[in-house]
Amino acid sequence: EVQLVESGGGLVQPGRSLKLSCVASGFTFNNYWMTWIRQAPGKGLEWVASITNTGGSTYYPDSVKGRFTISRDNAKSTLYLQMNSLRSEDTATYYCTRDPRVFAYWGQGTLVTVSS
Amino acid sequence: DVVMTQTPVSMSVSLGGQVSISCRSSQSLVHNNGNTYLSWYIQKPSQSPQLLIYKVSNRFSGISDRFSGSGSGTDFTLKISRVEPDDLGVYYCGQGTQYPNTFGAGTKLELK
Repeated sequence: EVQLVESGGGLVQPGRSLKLSCVASGFTFNNYWMTWIRQAPGKGLEWVASITNTGGSTYYPDSVKGRFTISRDNAKSTLYLQMNSLRSEDTATYYCTRDPRVFAYWGQGTLVTVSS
Repeated sequence: DVVMTQTPVSMSVSLGGQVSISCRSSQSLVHNNGNTYLSWYIQKPSQSPQLLIYKVSNRFSGISDRFSGSGSGTDFTLKISRVEPDDLGVYYCGQGTQYPNTFGAGTKLELK
């Protein structure tokens, strides 16, 4: 059974940093691209970052480019999202998903709240 | 960026009824490899989104045949027949053809 378990969310002040983790199990992690998707409270879904199976290439929307970094440790079957210079508009539940192009499996999400 | 427009924003349905949700994209979703990466997701209350349909019309593992997807190019439809209580929630279409991947704003399905 595919499982994705996110952690690392919490309350953080604007301008500070936070690093999210997602531990994967039930599939061969290093065979799959992975993606972070977020959902602001009461809002829709927003793609945040994707990474190839080897970690050799990464992709971001303009809204987070230069501030967020997606990475992975295939030996640990773990996906990361380093978030710097956080803004109030980054407040959301962050989901780890298995890619590419079709988000077939989602974690339970981890809530990030950016507030002073 | 590809803009995904879903209609309606919300709809009420009676149990056992049928509904259709429309999703239109601002650009063709046909990828260079010939596939069309249009998916449908449901988010039930207090849950993570779940994949229903991928590549326009393919039901994901374990998804009831009451759910069907159709369309091509820029115009897509999700149909749900014989609506059950567990079908209630917010439905999203999403495109994986090009970056940035984008989603519709959602259609909330409620009981009449």
